[in-house]
Amino acid sequence: GQQLNQSPQSMFIQEGEDVSMNCTSSSIFNTWLWYKQDPGEGPVLLIALYKAGELTSNGRLTAQFGITRKDSFLNISASIPSDVGIYFCAGYLYGQNFVFGPGTRLSVLP
Amino acid sequence: DAGVIQSPRHEVTEMGQEVTLRCKPISGHDYLFWYRQTMMRGLELLIYFNNNVPIDDSGMPEDRFSAKMPNASFSTLKIQPSEPRDSAVYFCATGAGEGNEQFFGPGTRLTVL
Repeated sequence: GQQLNQSPQSMFIQEGEDVSMNCTSSSIFNTWLWYKQDPGEGPVLLIALYKAGELTSNGRLTAQFGITRKDSFLNISASIPSDVGIYFCAGYLYGQNFVFGPGTRLSVLP
Repeated sequence: DAGVIQSPRHEVTEMGQEVTLRCKPISGHDYLFWYRQTMMRGLELLIYFNNNVPIDDSGMPEDRFSAKMPNASFSTLKIQPSEPRDSAVYFCATGAGEGNEQFFGPGTRLTVL
């Protein structure tokens, strides 16, 4: 079946630094979603992408739908302590179910 | 607007007991999904409904698991009998339309002793 890989698995950064993470697959997708999960809470939707090449921003977050439709990227600019959490990507192909990646765990050091 | 509501938030039970998890979807959303999250396996789709009808239950691990959606405002996931390996966080998520964004509830953390 379809599988998503996320890298890095975890990262430690200094407050104020920019963050980049990605999600890759051997399969193509029609939709990419990015979520953030805080401890003890459900995933919260950050950005939705529906078109190859699409670049979308939400505040300090920017995500892109890869041109090959097999990958997506999420960037966070000027990280702050509340950015700590696990970031999940999810891919959707028409007629299939959403597939979730294993997550990237982000730690922000003051 | 209220988001997805799940209850209980935490459940501790003994092996062999019946467990019922509840979900109230966002009003107007016609898709409802039940997921299980564990450290080892991540987020797994168990079952999903469209307009209250179960569409795909291939992710339900065993016959001990069952899910219902009697109306557009309510769904349950039942485990009977429960086993320690069922311990996980169970999420309900809803969406409006196929392939559209899914919105997750806060989850139910289940511990089976």
